[in-house]
Amino acid sequence: GAVVSQHPSWVICKSGTSVKIECRSLDFQATTMFWYRQFPKQSLMLMATSNEGSKATYEQGVEKDKFLINHASLTLSTLTVTSAHPEDSSFYICSASTWGATSTDTQYFGPGTRLTVL
Amino acid sequence: GESVGLHLPTLSVQEGDNSIINCAYSNSASDYFIWYKQESGKGPQFIIDIRSNMDKRQGQRVTVLLNKTVKHLSLQIAATQPGDSAVYFCAEILLGGGNKLTFGTGTQLKVEL
Repeated sequence: GAVVSQHPSWVICKSGTSVKIECRSLDFQATTMFWYRQFPKQSLMLMATSNEGSKATYEQGVEKDKFLINHASLTLSTLTVTSAHPEDSSFYICSASTWGATSTDTQYFGPGTRLTVL
Repeated sequence: GESVGLHLPTLSVQEGDNSIINCAYSNSASDYFIWYKQESGKGPQFIIDIRSNMDKRQGQRVTVLLNKTVKHLSLQIAATQPGDSAVYFCAEILLGGGNKLTFGTGTQLKVEL
């Protein structure tokens, strides 16, 4: 149980185009989803926290107009990288959790999406 | 301009030996801590966690130790196997603070045959 999928697993796009990445919780309802970015040889950096039906909360330094997050249902969140540029090339990872859980392993991670902007 | 990548600390061990991976965390108020394993090109995989009111927890082949005095975590892997080769991250979480995970810098574990 607790499987999170991401689509696509990798994408290559031209500079200036927009890319949408989907994150789905397959067998549970996720009240909260998180989006992370990971550059090579570095750790995961939280970009934003997304609660179903409300606006995402962005971490300091993350442009909300560039990284659009939609969490329209309890099983789907999307991240759209608008007007992508080469410096946006990275590994984007989502995670999903059930809010208020105090049990272990509260966040379940997706397999990641490799974005390459040419 | 050209970006300079960071180099993850690397721990090389012989197959069958025990591995100890260390992590310093930042927030003394964190409620619990998690170790994740990340293989190349994949998302993090949960290994083991520990609450702040504990100092040791054991799982299958893994043990986590927590020293709150010096804000230090360690992950011990017994009888390390080639499949253990990966990057290991510790993460801390403040429950009630949005369940946000703060990840450490990571350690690359290489298992030599």
